[in-house]
Parts: sequence; C-alpha cells; structure tokens
Amino acid sequence: QVQLQQSGAELVKPGSSVKISCKASGYTFTSYDMHWIKQQPGNGLEWIGWIYPGNGNTKYNQKFNGKATLTADKSSSTAYMQLSSLTSEDSAVYFCARFEGYYLYYFDYWGQGVMVTVSS
Amino acid sequence: DVLMTQTPVSLPVSLGGQVSISCRSSQSLVHSDGNTYLHWYLQKPGQSPQLLIYRVSNRFSGVPDRFSGSGSGTDFTLKISRVEPEDLGVYYCLQSTHFPWTFGGGTKLELK
Repeated sequence: QVQLQQSGAELVKPGSSVKISCKASGYTFTSYDMHWIKQQPGNGLEWIGWIYPGNGNTKYNQKFNGKATLTADKSSSTAYMQLSSLTSEDSAVYFCARFEGYYLYYFDYWGQGVMVTVSS
Repeated sequence: DVLMTQTPVSLPVSLGGQVSISCRSSQSLVHSDGNTYLHWYLQKPGQSPQLLIYRVSNRFSGVPDRFSGSGSGTDFTLKISRVEPEDLGVYYCLQSTHFPWTFGGGTKLELK
C-alpha cells in the first residue's frame, strides 16, 4: 500500500534552515510528482511546489521561491524540502503529497505532516 | 492567484442530517484541456487531508455515496447526506487548474 512517511517535528532558530523528509513506499517513486503543502496553525492549506523524482524537475509557487528547495533521492525513494532563512511565519505543519496526473490532477496520498516551530 | 471562497466557515449539523458546502473561484476553473480540476478534501482532527471528490463530481475510491459534488465554471457544491460522526472535520476545496494551485479557506463541520 502507498505510504508517505515524514520525518519528525523540528524546533529551529530564526534565521536558520531546516530540511524535512518524506519517504515513499508502495509505488514507483520516480513515476509520480511529489508536492509539498503548508498549513499554519488554525489556517488553511497553501501549495508550495512539486518535484518530479524521475528527473528532478521542480516547480514552485512564486511565493516560496527562495524559501523552499525541493530535492529527491531516487536510491532511497525519499523527497526532501529545505526551508531557509526561517522566521516565525514559517512555523507550520508541512505535508508531502503524491500527485496523480493524467488529467486527474489531485493529491491522493499524504504524509502525516511535520510540525516546524521557529523560535529562539 | 485564483481565490477560492468557501461558505459557510462553520456548519453545525445533526447526525443523519444533510448539508451543503459552497466553493466559489475568482475565475473559471475550466482547464485548456476541457477538464475542471476542482477537488474536495476532508481533514479530520489531527490527520492529513483525505480526498473525497475529484474533478467536481467523481468520488474517490472508498468514499461513500453520501458524498456528492456538483458545479461548473466558478461555482461548486459538496453535499453530504445522512451525516455520520466520521464526517466531522474541516472540508477544503482545491483548484489545480491554474498555477499556483489554491485551496479554499475551509468549512468546519461540527455537531449542533
């Protein structure tokens, strides 16, 4: 069965960076885009961008250009998102989600989410 | 960016009742390929969102027929009939027609 297992919660200092992971299993990792979504406490959902692990191509929400960097390791079927120059506005839960293309265009499987807390 | 406006924000319901949630977009969600990429998700407390309806009116695998979606263009509706306890949570619409993809603000379905 498809599973996306994300790394654990992070407490990080303002101005620093953090890298969170999303390990995929149960499907061919290189055949599906992996997307990342942000959810601030009490707020809705915000799309960050995607990576296609097959060739490393990425696309970002312009709002997250320079903030988020998406990478993927085919050998371990793991996607990563690095967030840089962290501020309190980056405190949120971050989800990875598998994307189903081919004229469907939805997220069918999600990770459990990683809570990132930015605090001194 | 396409603004997705969901109403109501909060929706009290009695078990066994029927409710409707509205999602309106600031521009048409008809893609150049002719499809409309409007989807509905439910996020239960402490969980990740789960897909209910894709492309306006198609139920995802395992979703009961108590859930139905309709609409076109900029105006969409999710209906839930015979509400059960496991239906409680926050419902979101998502448009994946225009970049950047955007979600509605959410509708919290709760017991009266």
